[in-house]
Amino acid sequence: AQTVTQSQPEMSVQEAETVTLSCTYDTSESDYYLFWYKQPPGRQMILVIRQEAYKQQNATENRFSVNFQKAAKSFSLKISDSQLGDAAMYFCAYIAGGTSYGKLTFGQGTILTVHP
Amino acid sequence: DAMVIQNPRYQVTQFGKPVTLSCSQTLNHNVMYWYQQKSSQAPKLLFHYYDKDFNNEADTPDNFQSRRPNTSFCFLDIRSPGLGDAAMYLCATSRVVAGGQDTQYFGPGTRLTVL
Repeated sequence: AQTVTQSQPEMSVQEAETVTLSCTYDTSESDYYLFWYKQPPGRQMILVIRQEAYKQQNATENRFSVNFQKAAKSFSLKISDSQLGDAAMYFCAYIAGGTSYGKLTFGQGTILTVHP
Repeated sequence: DAMVIQNPRYQVTQFGKPVTLSCSQTLNHNVMYWYQQKSSQAPKLLFHYYDKDFNNEADTPDNFQSRRPNTSFCFLDIRSPGLGDAAMYLCATSRVVAGGQDTQYFGPGTRLTVL
């Protein structure tokens, strides 16, 4: 079974600084997709960034970028120029390829606090 | 804007009293999912529909059922809620993408309290 591990229950960062959230996963599949979702307190979960395992290039979305190390099964999220609105629970998630839809397996989440 | 809508946002029920949670989507996605998220935990998939085909996770209790009368709506029925069923229930949708995986789009959730 696939597992996703986020080893940092909580992280904090100063506004305008950079922070990296860690995620490791375990799978025997070669075709899969990885996601970072953000869940602000009391609000809905939204996609931050996604990475296809077959792509060697790391995904980026504005201030958000990932460091995808396929051999190490590591998928960290870097947030640059942190803003107060970045404060949220961040979930790393995995889904196997091979089918056109399926179950997301989530990590336990990392609570990010942004200090002004 | 296209979106996933859940009603109600907050639901209080009594122990053993049936409750239904609602999800609707304007995205016209084939697949709809129900996840359970307990406090400070990761979401856990309960079941999903691909069009009208229902797929139950092996460890989803029999107490939980779902209906999808049409593409836009999906319901989660809890027949006899127990205290352990208090949680946030998240609905999500995705398209079927040939040879790939679409992103799942989540609704705001319904927080269920069981008294």
